[in-house]
Amino acid sequence: KAGVTQTPRYLIKTRGQQVTLSCSPISGHRSVSWYQQTPGQGLQFLFEYFSETQRNKGNFPGRFSGRQFSNSRSEMNVSTLELGDSALYLCASSSPGQGKAFFGQGTRLTVV
Amino acid sequence: AQKVTQAQTEISVVEKEDVTLDCVYETRDTTYYLFWYKQPPSGELVFLIRRNSFDEQNEISGRYSWNFQKSTSSFNFTITASQVVDSAVYFCALSFGSSNTGKLIFGQGTTLQVKP
Repeated sequence: KAGVTQTPRYLIKTRGQQVTLSCSPISGHRSVSWYQQTPGQGLQFLFEYFSETQRNKGNFPGRFSGRQFSNSRSEMNVSTLELGDSALYLCASSSPGQGKAFFGQGTRLTVV
Repeated sequence: AQKVTQAQTEISVVEKEDVTLDCVYETRDTTYYLFWYKQPPSGELVFLIRRNSFDEQNEISGRYSWNFQKSTSSFNFTITASQVVDSAVYFCALSFGSSNTGKLIFGQGTTLQVKP
C-alpha cells in the first residue's frame, strides 16, 4: 500500500509569489491534515480536511488556505509569500478507527 | 489550553545506554489521546504509539516502553539499550475531540543522538 505522497519535495519561491503544495493520502483515508515545521516554532497544525470539508483550522493567517478533492487528494496554497513561510510542510492522512496519522516526507519550501 | 512540553531539547548517549524522553501535557478535556512520533533525517514522522486518556497501562514494545501517568500529566518514553539507528528527533503529541488524529498538538521535540 502506497504511503502519503507529497509533491514537490523541494521548492524555492520569491517573496510575494504564491505556491501550491500537493498531498495524496493513503488510499481509503478521507482525513488530510497539514502542518508547518520550522526551527523556531516547531510543528504547528495548519488545517484538516475531511470529505472535502475543512474540519479544523489552526492559527495561521488567511494567506494559508487549502482544499480537498473528491478523491481525498489535498492541496494547500500560500499566497503573498513571506520569508518566514520558509519551512517543511508536512501532510498527514488518517482513517477513522485506525487511531493514528500517517505522514508524508514533506515539501521543503524556501522563500528568498 | 492544550499544550505539550518536551523540556529536553537534545540528549546524547552512548550506544547501549538506556534513555528516557520526557513529555508533559496540559488539557482540560477528559477524553484525549497521546502519541509519540519519530522523525528521522528523511523528514516524515513515523508513528510509535498512541494512548487514550482512559488507559494508563504502561506499554512495552521491544526496546521501547512508555509510562503514562495522569496524576502528573506525563507520558514518558524509554529506549532500552539504545542503538545508533535510534538517533532522530522524537515528538510527543496530544489530540482531543472527535478528530482524534486529524489535529495533533506537538511538543517541541527532543533530538536524540546515540553515539557508537
